Amino acid sequence: DTAVSQTPKYLVTQMGNDKSIKCEQNLGHDTMYWYKQDSKKFLKIMFSYNNKELIINETVPNRFSPKSPDKAHLNLHINSLELGDSAVYFCASSLIPGLAGEISYNEQFFGPGTRLTVL
Amino acid sequence: KQEVTQIPAALSVPEGENLVLNCSFTDSAIYNLQWFRQDPGKGLTSLLLIQSSQREQTSGRLNASLDKSSGRSTLYIAASQPGDSATYLCAVGYSGGGADGLTFGKGTHLIIQP
Repeated sequence: DTAVSQTPKYLVTQMGNDKSIKCEQNLGHDTMYWYKQDSKKFLKIMFSYNNKELIINETVPNRFSPKSPDKAHLNLHINSLELGDSAVYFCASSLIPGLAGEISYNEQFFGPGTRLTVL
Repeated sequence: KQEVTQIPAALSVPEGENLVLNCSFTDSAIYNLQWFRQDPGKGLTSLLLIQSSQREQTSGRLNASLDKSSGRSTLYIAASQPGDSATYLCAVGYSGGGADGLTFGKGTHLIIQP
């Protein structure tokens, strides 16, 4: 299946730990994103990344960092986890018009989400 | 600061009714607008994408319209079914050429009564 996948689906950890969430897309997209959905179900962009630029939402603490080993992966690393980091994290991808020379409308496709619980 | 507002926050209607979900955005310089569906505990499913140069898009019983100048979009659902029950999210993209993320509304929680 062509899709955006994330692992793990659930992550329960203690305050102060460091953890990572993995994201992979096999859609041939060149841009990937991380979003956070809080307890009130509000979705907010955290990072956008392609091989030309990394855009960081100014409200994201520097304990969060994206790492991309290749175009198909964008992993989210979180250091010194805090209670307030508990949320559902979604990965997404899209094809930016013009970068790949193909027609694209920059439609974003989302992964199934990772529910992070910090105790 | 771009803001996206969705009205109503929740809606419950009997099966078979036609309904309209509303979305408004403060900055009309959008690149595109996407409507998503989110089922409880699940990810987001893209329903319709409208480019800024388009007025509407249709997929099956769904029709999304866009009035860029007034900063509004509507999602029309015809002949609603219980399976349409979900949260519907409107999201605006402001850049097609850059890696900007989407700005989301808070969603409309829709319940279709059998």
